[in-house]
Amino acid sequence: QSALTQPASVSGSPGQSITISCTGTSSDVGGYNYVSWYQQHPGKAPKLMIYDVSNRPSGVSNRFSGSKSGNTASLTISGLQAEDEADYYCSSYTSSSTLEVFGGGTKLTVL
Amino acid sequence: QLQLQESGPGLVKPSETLSLTCTVSGGSISSSSYYWGWIRQPPGKGLEWIGSIYYSGSTYYNPSLKSRVTISVDTSKNQFSLKLSSVTAADTAVYYCATVRGTAAIDYWGQGTLVTVSS
Repeated sequence: QSALTQPASVSGSPGQSITISCTGTSSDVGGYNYVSWYQQHPGKAPKLMIYDVSNRPSGVSNRFSGSKSGNTASLTISGLQAEDEADYYCSSYTSSSTLEVFGGGTKLTVL
Repeated sequence: QLQLQESGPGLVKPSETLSLTCTVSGGSISSSSYYWGWIRQPPGKGLEWIGSIYYSGSTYYNPSLKSRVTISVDTSKNQFSLKLSSVTAADTAVYYCATVRGTAAIDYWGQGTLVTVSS
């Protein structure tokens, strides 16, 4: 059982927008603005897409955006493209001695 | 730009110790900018945080693995290492080394190495 809860799957058509949620507790997501999102294509290492809730690393498309409300963070992908089909994971800083926790991952299918 | 490369045996016997090394290039492992972390991913499953180490030697471990995990740094070789003892088939996974910011964002990942636990 993962520390953060994500939907197992989401889907959308090209050009549409989708949102993936990531629910934690006040000890992680709700307590800090330190939520990150990662994209992982099959057989590849994860790639950082969003950090500190809503910041994009250099080179990441502005179609990817992040937000947070209470204990739930969200990743929104607008203008869906075929190449966005991948697994997406959230993670958060946590006040426990472990430093970081992951979500269980969400499989995005572009129809 | 930082680059990380995992190395170590791809096959480990049950009850033995899994040992992996991550070689860092393009930067110093003594940098205060990052923690140096390990993450794993069992086949077909999600990411699992194993733990991390700061250049000062401070370590942070997943409580579920803490009793079996040791992460260390070798500044002379610009490497950091993972040891996981008493392995079982459940420890079969792709193991990634990575750089972790203080805000827990993982910037740079190694390519990953598959470790299979089997006799």
